[in-house]
Amino acid sequence: AQRVTQPEKLLSVFKGAPVELKCNYSYSGSPELFWYVQYSRQRLQLLLRHISRESIKGFTADLNKGETSFHLKKPFAQEEDSAMYYCALSGANSNYQLIWGAGTKLIIKP
Amino acid sequence: DVKVTQSSRYLVKRTGEKVFLECVQDMDHENMFWYRQDPGLGLRLIYFSYDVKMKEKGDIPEGYSVSREKKERFSLILESASTNQTSMYLCASMSVGSNQPQHFGDGTRLSIL
Repeated sequence: AQRVTQPEKLLSVFKGAPVELKCNYSYSGSPELFWYVQYSRQRLQLLLRHISRESIKGFTADLNKGETSFHLKKPFAQEEDSAMYYCALSGANSNYQLIWGAGTKLIIKP
Repeated sequence: DVKVTQSSRYLVKRTGEKVFLECVQDMDHENMFWYRQDPGLGLRLIYFSYDVKMKEKGDIPEGYSVSREKKERFSLILESASTNQTSMYLCASMSVGSNQPQHFGDGTRLSIL
């Protein structure tokens, strides 16, 4: 079955501490992985995708096919990173529709 | 920049009413989606459309219908609103092709009393 699992509903860290938001997936084939973010009172928006291998707002995510994971990391959290984060995947098996994780609420404490 | 516009940010309706949620995108995207967003459940797909007049059921279509008469507009219809349909509704659009992101509207927070 195709599935995206974000094991933490809530993650709270102090400003300046490292952040890792976990995402595991189940998919047969080659998935395309995404992280989306929703800041308070703003629309859901793409943060990054694995194919781009980019760093956005200091966040990176590496696709680990062996562990079927796509964890989102940032070395030094900032208060403005507080938001809801969703991991999602798509691929040929899902007709390129997105399969979503349940989301992780990230709170950065001052 | 892609613009996806949902007609209302907040909407309050009564049980049994027929409710229309409208979504318009300005990027000529073929694919459009309607989701519900509920705490702890993430985003759940209600319906999607890959072309004008074409629609496919998502994971939770019961109690909903959709209409896509024009490429830029995708409407979600609650035939007879019920309290368990109180939720945040998100519309998204996406271009055809692999690895394309979905672009979202601001959402409509719908309350059914």
